[in-house]
Amino acid sequence: EPEVTQTPSHQVTQMGQEVILRCVPISNHLYFYWYRQILGQKVEFLVSFYNNEISEKSEIFDDQFSVERPDGSNFTLKIRSTKLEDSAMYFCASREGRSQHFGDGTRLSIL
Amino acid sequence: KNEVEQSPQNLTAQEGEFITINCSYSVGISALHWLQQHPGGGIVSLFMLSSGKKKHGRLIATINIQEKHSSLHITASHPRDSAVYICAVRRPGTSGSRLTFGEGTQLTVNP
Repeated sequence: EPEVTQTPSHQVTQMGQEVILRCVPISNHLYFYWYRQILGQKVEFLVSFYNNEISEKSEIFDDQFSVERPDGSNFTLKIRSTKLEDSAMYFCASREGRSQHFGDGTRLSIL
Repeated sequence: KNEVEQSPQNLTAQEGEFITINCSYSVGISALHWLQQHPGGGIVSLFMLSSGKKKHGRLIATINIQEKHSSLHITASHPRDSAVYICAVRRPGTSGSRLTFGEGTQLTVNP
């Protein structure tokens, strides 16, 4: 069965550095999402992306964040000038039809 | 108040028991998802419901739109069912079809 794949599985970064989290959505899917889960908390929506542009973003998704689909397969989340509170699990999801498919997540640890 | 509330927060059962996890929501929705989060963090979609009932193996999900309530049932529970079960809703009219998540129910099934 096709899967959403995310790399890396774990990223450790110094505070203030930039990180890029990568996702390969399912190939015929057109809608893409990033979600975040801080340890011990619920999953939160960050941003949705369709037709090469952001279709919706949450209040969390400020100027520190950006998303890009640089080629036909990858979907990236860039976090600039990382802060300690950016430490979380970041999930990518893709959708065609009504059901979203999630990747296994990238655990981001900011030191 | 959270838009999506789950109960119980934690549930411990003996192998073979019938399990029910509840989800109540306070907003209009176009669909409700039940998700399973494994100990390693990965999220798997179990069901998407907009009405009625769905069954897959030992899992059954029901939804009552009028009462804004959904239940996830597990029959003949097994230790491998141990995971966090998450209810998430999709609001109608949201351009990106973002999901709003409950806090999750931690299920532990003992042998």
